Amino acid sequence: AQSVTQLGSHVSVSEGALVLLRCNYSSSVPPYLFWYVQYPNQGLQLLLKYTTGATLVKGINGFEAEFKKSETSFHLTKPSAHMSDAAEYFCAVDPTSGTYKYIFGTGTRLKVLA
Amino acid sequence: KAGVTQTPRYLIKTRGQQVTLSCSPISGHRSVSWYQQTPGQGLQFLFEYFSETQRNKGNFPGRFSGRQFSNSRSEMNVSTLELGDSALYLCASSPSGLAGAREQFFGPGTRLTVL
Repeated sequence: AQSVTQLGSHVSVSEGALVLLRCNYSSSVPPYLFWYVQYPNQGLQLLLKYTTGATLVKGINGFEAEFKKSETSFHLTKPSAHMSDAAEYFCAVDPTSGTYKYIFGTGTRLKVLA
Repeated sequence: KAGVTQTPRYLIKTRGQQVTLSCSPISGHRSVSWYQQTPGQGLQFLFEYFSETQRNKGNFPGRFSGRQFSNSRSEMNVSTLELGDSALYLCASSPSGLAGAREQFFGPGTRLTVL
């Protein structure tokens, strides 16, 4: 069965520091991969996606992620954290089964310290 | 373009009751999926509808059902509510099944509390 693992349910960084949120997936074939952000009492907002092509993907709000097939990873990074980045982040896999049955990781709550 | 809208935003029900949640997808989107989000189980896929047909279903009991109308709007119904059904229910829409256009756009969710 396919799965998504997000290491670290809580991550704290100082404002201006590098943000690194980890995501590993298990899949027999390269899936489509996504990062979503959820602010309190809101739905999920797409940050970026990897489908095919370039393995370094740039998203909104200065975030980017790199697809590494050999490591089955899709870690999310941002060079400089901002207070407004505090939220919960979810990595998701679409196993390209032909329907939109995403498999989500358990989420990482990012705290940004002043 | 207007985003995905869900109504109502908040609901309080008692055990044994039934509830219907509504989702209006982004204009032109034909696929609508539903997810349940709870602190303990995280985000879990309920079902997906495409052109009024249920195309995929998650591992939930038959008390959870859904439908999609010809205008792509979708409803989900939960019958005989249990305390464990308290959750945020998220609806997501997607343009189509074309390869490469596979992102889902999520609504704000309906927060269901079962007492």
